[in-house]
Amino acid sequence: NAGVMQNPRHLVRRRGQEARLRCSPMKGHSHVYWYRQLPEEGLKFMVYLQKENIIDESGMPKERFSAEFPKEGPSILRIQQVVRGDSAAYFCASSPSGGIANEQFFGPGTRLTVL
Amino acid sequence: GENVEQHPSTLSVQEGDSAVIKCTYSDSASNYFPWYKQELGKRPQLIIDIRSNVGEKKDQRIAVTLNKTAKHFSLHITETQPEDSAVYFCAARGTGTASKLTFGTGTRLQVTL
Repeated sequence: NAGVMQNPRHLVRRRGQEARLRCSPMKGHSHVYWYRQLPEEGLKFMVYLQKENIIDESGMPKERFSAEFPKEGPSILRIQQVVRGDSAAYFCASSPSGGIANEQFFGPGTRLTVL
Repeated sequence: GENVEQHPSTLSVQEGDSAVIKCTYSDSASNYFPWYKQELGKRPQLIIDIRSNVGEKKDQRIAVTLNKTAKHFSLHITETQPEDSAVYFCAARGTGTASKLTFGTGTRLQVTL
């Protein structure tokens, strides 16, 4: 039973390019959360998705950032026209549902470096 | 929205001693409080959690206490070992559709020999 998978593990982009981060939740999990972690800081919530629905995007910048979780395939976090301030570790987590009883399992993260 | 504060930011203890990390939260409706351990370059891993209908929970050397009235919760690690060295994060989650976790800023624990 594979855990949460993320790819790529490391991503280097130049300013102005696009970054696409992928997250495959654990088998049987239909809820995905994206968090961003700046160096030496805690995790900040970005967006919460269920299959084909964005439930809460209150932590995601309105511009340049978008997220999706299609019916088939992984969840994608997309950052357009990246800037140096986007450099961070991006973690996704999954849970079987959004209820209180369910632990969020984290993936290994994607470390984005913007040159 | 929810705000979680965590103290101390760094903690150094000798092997065998106890370590205590404290967190406070602002949203009285929050009802789930997990603790995560993150080693350098690794993913956060859940080590213990507590729900609002419980005041204390223990798992071997790790325990968590919750004071709902004061809106604070604490992590206690006894008989610390070098492999306990990591960054520890507390988090809180509210009710309804707000399933996101709000994290504290982390505590870097160093267990010295």
